[in-house]
Amino acid sequence: EAQVTQNPRYLITVTGKKLTVTCSQNMNHEYMSWYRQDPGLGLRQIYYSMNVEVTDKGDVPEGYKVSRKEKRNFPLILESPSPNQTSLYFCASSLSVGINTEAFFGQGTRLTVV
Amino acid sequence: GQQLNQSPQSMFIQEGEDVSMNCTSSSIFNTWLWYKQDPGEGPVLLIALYKAGELTSNGRLTAQFGITRKDSFLNISASIPSDVGIYFCAGIPPGYSTLTFGKGTMLLVSP
Repeated sequence: EAQVTQNPRYLITVTGKKLTVTCSQNMNHEYMSWYRQDPGLGLRQIYYSMNVEVTDKGDVPEGYKVSRKEKRNFPLILESPSPNQTSLYFCASSLSVGINTEAFFGQGTRLTVV
Repeated sequence: GQQLNQSPQSMFIQEGEDVSMNCTSSSIFNTWLWYKQDPGEGPVLLIALYKAGELTSNGRLTAQFGITRKDSFLNISASIPSDVGIYFCAGIPPGYSTLTFGKGTMLLVSP
């Protein structure tokens, strides 16, 4: 089954404790991205990657890192989480960048930073 | 980045009613996508539009790519309780490689 898989689904952590949210897709998609969803603000892009070893900042990249060492995986890293990073996070993938760029989303990771 | 204005913010309707929501922008878009997000889940693609004026249906859903390329609408006919969720429009402006999302329309359907 074609899918985008995120782990964990739920995470509670303390301020400053490094964490990684994993994302994997089995569709051989080139393009992957991370979004955060907050009430009243919709979906905002954090980082994206057009291919292996190619990453770029989205609209709200501060406090986040990503890596794309393999095509299928795109982990989101919070080196020193803070309470304002409490949010619902989604990973998404698309076949390629271009006119047909339908994004497929993972099920989300709800992160709480206390 | 580009901005999409999605309206209404929320709707509370009776089962069986038709629903209409739209997205507008001050700049043109090459692609318009409509997603639905069920509670506790990730957004799922409903309809994709690639040409100005294009009208596409998916069951009870119909969406159109505005002729000016600055807007799109989504209609749901004969709503049912499982239509409940948040509907997002998204678009790709010329020269950009990323999706811009609207803030969503929350739909509630009363049986």
